[in-house]
This record gives sequence, structure tokens and C-alpha cells, in this order.
Amino acid sequence: GEDVEQSLFLSVREGDSSVINCTYTDSSSTYLYWYKQEPGAGLQLLTYIFSNMDMKQDQRLTVLLNKKDKHLSLRIADTQTGDSAIYFCAESGDNYGQNFVFGPGTRLSVLP
Amino acid sequence: DSGVTQTPKHLITATGQRVTLRCSPRSGDLSVYWYQQSLDQGLQFLIHYYNGEERAKGNILERFSAQQFPDLHSELNLSSLELGDSALYFCASSVEATATAEAFFGQGTRLTVV
Repeated sequence: GEDVEQSLFLSVREGDSSVINCTYTDSSSTYLYWYKQEPGAGLQLLTYIFSNMDMKQDQRLTVLLNKKDKHLSLRIADTQTGDSAIYFCAESGDNYGQNFVFGPGTRLSVLP
Repeated sequence: DSGVTQTPKHLITATGQRVTLRCSPRSGDLSVYWYQQSLDQGLQFLIHYYNGEERAKGNILERFSAQQFPDLHSELNLSSLELGDSALYFCASSVEATATAEAFFGQGTRLTVV
């Protein structure tokens, strides 16, 4: 079945850039997403990218997609302590959530 | 406060039992999504309803079922419960039917099966 992989932990210094990586196996994935989960809270959709795009930028967030290698990354510029959270990569086969699969999540720790 | 209400907040039940989790979406939201989050299986999308109709199905077991009622609240029914069903069950709602729309999450129902 479909699989999404992420490294489990990342630590960065406040003000540095964070790069969270994700690989997926389903070549039919149409949408790829990044979600943020703060302690004790539900998910927040940060951004998404359609599979025919290579890059998407939204303020401090930059998403890069390498469809050939099935690799997705999320770069957070000028990382702040408020960015400390778990970041989930996810994929789906359509925009309604069909075959929606999450990665294990990357715990980002921002050190002052 | 996201405006999404889930009840109960906590539930402890025995193996083999059946429980119903309830989700009231934000006023005006037509979509309801259900997710399961556990240490063993991570975060999984279960099912999506839009205006009473099932729109997408994820890793939802046959022992589980859901529905969305005319007043748009949704219920997730879990039967023949097993220890491995212990998890945090989230629901989320959004105005639109698409997964790329902004969704608002409830605080979750923590289910413990003993």
C-alpha cells in the first residue's frame, strides 16, 4: 500500500531555517500536504501542493516537490519558538481525501 | 475554541463493547472528517462526509462506521472494540468538500479500551 516516510526529529536554532523532508511511494498522489500539530491540539493545514507543481511559497513556508524522486520538503524560514510542533506530510489521490495517507510526523524543536 | 465540539472528551470501555463518538461541526460547515491518532498506528484518516454523503474513505475498519445526519452532526460508531482501538479520535469540519480547504479541528475524544 501507500507509504509516507519522514525523519522523526529535527532541532534548529531560533532564526535559522528548518527543512523537513518527506518521501512517498504512491505515484498516483495528486495532492501533497503539510500539517502542523501543536501539543494537545488537532491538525492545522499549513500548505499543500498539486502534483504538477515544483514549488510553492507562502510567506515563511516553501514547499519543494521532486515528483521523479517522490520527495517533498517543507522549508520554514526564520524559524521561531512558536514553530515548535509536529509536522505531518500527507498525500491523497484526489482533493476529497481519497487514499489519504499521513507520514509519521517530524517533531521540530526550536532552541532559543 | 475552533467551534467544533466532540463528545465525550474521554471514554473508557472494555474489549468487545461498542461506543459512539459524536462531532458537531462549526455552524455552516458541510464537511466532517474523522481521524484516528495512536502511538502504534500514527495518524490515520478514517472518513469524510459532505452534506450527509460519504465523500472519501480512508483506513476505516469494517468494525467502524460513520454517518452524517441532516443537522450535519456526525457520529463515529466503533464496535467489537479491541485494545488496539485505543486512540485519540479527532473530527474536523470545513465549509467546502475539498481536502485543501481550511478545516477546524475538535479537541478529540480519547478512547481507552481495557
